[in-house]
Formats: sequence, C-alpha cells, structure tokens
Amino acid sequence: SQTIHQWPATLVQPVGSPLSLECTVEGTSNPNLYWYRQAAGRGLQLLFYSIGIGQISSEVPQNLSASRPQDRQFILSSKKLLLSDSGFYLCAWSMDSGANVLTFGAGSRLTVL
Amino acid sequence: QKEVEQDPGPLSVPEGAIVSLNCTYSNSAFQYFMWYRQYSRKGPELLMYTYSSGNKEDGRFTAQVDKSSKYISLFIRDSQPSDSATYLCAIYNAGNMLTFGGGTRLMVKP
Repeated sequence: SQTIHQWPATLVQPVGSPLSLECTVEGTSNPNLYWYRQAAGRGLQLLFYSIGIGQISSEVPQNLSASRPQDRQFILSSKKLLLSDSGFYLCAWSMDSGANVLTFGAGSRLTVL
Repeated sequence: QKEVEQDPGPLSVPEGAIVSLNCTYSNSAFQYFMWYRQYSRKGPELLMYTYSSGNKEDGRFTAQVDKSSKYISLFIRDSQPSDSATYLCAIYNAGNMLTFGGGTRLMVKP
C-alpha cells in the first residue's frame, strides 16, 4: 500500500532563516506531488505541483520554492522566511490518471517569529 | 465569486443528530466531487468521491450531487463525537487542479 511521510511535524523559525520541509511517498511510482498551505480557519492554497523529477509548477509567486530531486521526494524550501510564511503545510500525492484524488501527509506546522 | 463556496461554521449538533454539510460551485464543467475530513492538526483524508448527480452512500455518510443547481451535500446520520472535524468539499475538472472549499467545522457534542 502507498504511504506518504512528511517532516518535520512542527517547527518554529526566526524571520530571515531558511526552511526545508520534506515529503516522501512509498509504494508507488511517478506520482503527482503537491505542496499546499492552509492558513488558520481557511481552505487549502496550492503552492506547487510536480508531474515528474525536476518538473515543478508554481501556482502562487512568493517566498517559497520547491524541488523534486527524486521520483518520490518533494521538498519545499525558502532562503529567508517571512512572518507571513507561518501556516500549516501539507504535502499530497495523486496518480496521473482519473479524478486526481489526493492523499495528504500529516502536515508540518510552521511558526515564524 | 469563489469557485467553491462553503459555510465555515462552526456547526454544533448533539450526538445522534443528522448533519448536513453543503457546498456550492460556479463552474458547470466540474465533473468529480469529493469530501475530505480533517481532524485538528492533521492532514485531510478522503471520505467520499462521486462523479455523477445523485446520491452515494457509505455507512453513515451520504454524498449528494445536484449538477443542475451546482450544489453538493454531505449527510452524516447518527453523528458521533468522533465525527467532530473540519469537512472540506473538493471539486475537480479534468485537466485542472482540485479546487477546495474553505471547510466547515463540525462539533458533535455528547
């Protein structure tokens, strides 16, 4: 069966510090991979998605970047965090067919102080 | 106008009540309709997925789609405290990204 792992679960970072969130998927090949952000009490905002190694599409221009160095690994990064980067970050995967049903990781809660 | 609208709640009901959660959408091209449940500080998990208009039942949960009115609903029968969570509708059009509603927070009180 497929599983998705996301870490770290929680982190507190100062403004201006770098960020790296990691996501890996097991039990499948060539998944579509996604990074979402969820602000408190709000819906899911798609940040990046990837259909293959090295192929990244950005939905919202901002202080963040994403990379996919391996088939089942997706990384969300920032060189210098802003206060507005605080939020709940979710990684998700789907198969490249059908109705694009997403399976989410457990999330990473980022607080920028 | 947002593509998918959902009342944020919170919706508070007593245990055993029938719960109705709803979303409206604006794009008639949407084809696939999903409901996700998200517990506090967790990732969303897929509850129900349907393609066509009508009802789909899974245990205590029934998803209803009315494409003519662009309206989808999730009904929960015999609600339990463990159903307390945020429920997100999600709608998909082939070739595009999944579009989420903002979520409705449900509280079922024992």
